[in-house]
Amino acid sequence: QPVLTQPPSVSGAPGQRVTISCTGTTSNIGASYDVHWYQQLPGTAPKLLIYGHTNRPSGVPDRFSGSTSGTSASLAITGLQAEDEADYYCQSYDLSLGGHWVFGGGTKLTVL
Amino acid sequence: QILLVQSGVEVKKPGASMKVSCKASGYTFSDYGISWVRQAPGQGLEWMGWISAYNGKTKYPQKFQGRVTMTTDTSTSTAYMDLRSLTSDDTAVYFCARDGFSGTREFDFWGQGTRVIVSS
Repeated sequence: QPVLTQPPSVSGAPGQRVTISCTGTTSNIGASYDVHWYQQLPGTAPKLLIYGHTNRPSGVPDRFSGSTSGTSASLAITGLQAEDEADYYCQSYDLSLGGHWVFGGGTKLTVL
Repeated sequence: QILLVQSGVEVKKPGASMKVSCKASGYTFSDYGISWVRQAPGQGLEWMGWISAYNGKTKYPQKFQGRVTMTTDTSTSTAYMDLRSLTSDDTAVYFCARDGFSGTREFDFWGQGTRVIVSS
């Protein structure tokens, strides 16, 4: 089972705003480890979308934003576009078992 | 530009071993660690381990300890991931990913993935 919990799917119409949640514990997000988000289009490698909770790499539109509070994080996408249809994963670090990288189970975003 | 280019498709029999390579270019290889992440068909991402390209230090999750070995060759800027005693559960796409420049344990560049099929 993934260490971080995400909803399996979310959907929204073009132009709308959607959010994807990522719930962790006191040994990962709650221990102040940074949360990162990836977008994975079908058949491709994941692409870094948000790093360090809120930062966008060069080239990522400002329609994508991240936030973290306590043991949870969220990815928000505004002005939804058809090209946003993809799988989204959150990722952090966990201090248990000597320390290891952890992912959420992924969320499939469908643009209606 | 920064690229991670992985080796091609592999088909293996149960019980065999596999070795996937990941050749880096566009940056100083020894300045960043490399993780390996796999994705079984229709499933999510699973972290398999990390190696420092600076000193070869490794970190593996308990699930893969004893079965995985990660190495690097700084002369060719290539990382390798060896997985032994393969079963059908190891059928997956395997990605290498570079430690992010920000130092907060993100992965900023990824290889294209190597599909591994384990079947008798």
